[in-house]
Amino acid sequence: EDQVTQSPEALRLQEGESSSLNCSYTVSGLRGLFWYRQDPGKGPEFLFTLYSAGEEKEKERLKATLTKKESFLHITAPKPEDSATYLCAVQARTGGFKTIFGAGTRLFVKA
Amino acid sequence: DAGVIQSPRHEVTEMGQEVTLRCKPISGHDYLFWYRQTMMRGLELLIYFNNNVPIDDSGMPEDRFSAKMPNASFSTLKIQPSEPRDSAVYFCASSLSQGGTQYFGPGTRLLVL
Repeated sequence: EDQVTQSPEALRLQEGESSSLNCSYTVSGLRGLFWYRQDPGKGPEFLFTLYSAGEEKEKERLKATLTKKESFLHITAPKPEDSATYLCAVQARTGGFKTIFGAGTRLFVKA
Repeated sequence: DAGVIQSPRHEVTEMGQEVTLRCKPISGHDYLFWYRQTMMRGLELLIYFNNNVPIDDSGMPEDRFSAKMPNASFSTLKIQPSEPRDSAVYFCASSLSQGGTQYFGPGTRLLVL
């Protein structure tokens, strides 16, 4: 069964304290792995798509990496405005076009 | 582009009533998705359409739930009759292509009393 597990559930950082969020996945052939950011009361906002192991993408203080079993979202020198829930999702090559989301990591960055 | 538009943004209803949620996808997007988000189960795919045709409705929880897409710019998700356990945030998303990025609307927060 296709599955996505994110850790930790919650992460509290001081401003400037770099860290990483983990997304472990089990899928029968990965079509793509997605990272989204979700602010309270809003819909998920797209950040990155990764398609193959070894791929990396960056945007401002965020960098996403992908291996055959997991993905990391690295946050460098975070700011309070980076506080949000970060969601990871996968699409498999089989079973149609279903997207499976992880439960998310709630990030709190304190000034 | 205005992005994905959903209405209403908030809905409070009583158990047994019919609820209709509405979605306008981004113009030109061929895929439309309906999701439900709860604290317990996270974000779950309910159903998705391609070119207005339902492709996979395996995530629809019960026969009380139904979804339609009469044209490329409008979709509805209906719950009849509603129950308290249906309380959740319902999101609509659209994408340009299969496997492409999904863009989410702001969601409809549903409370069934």
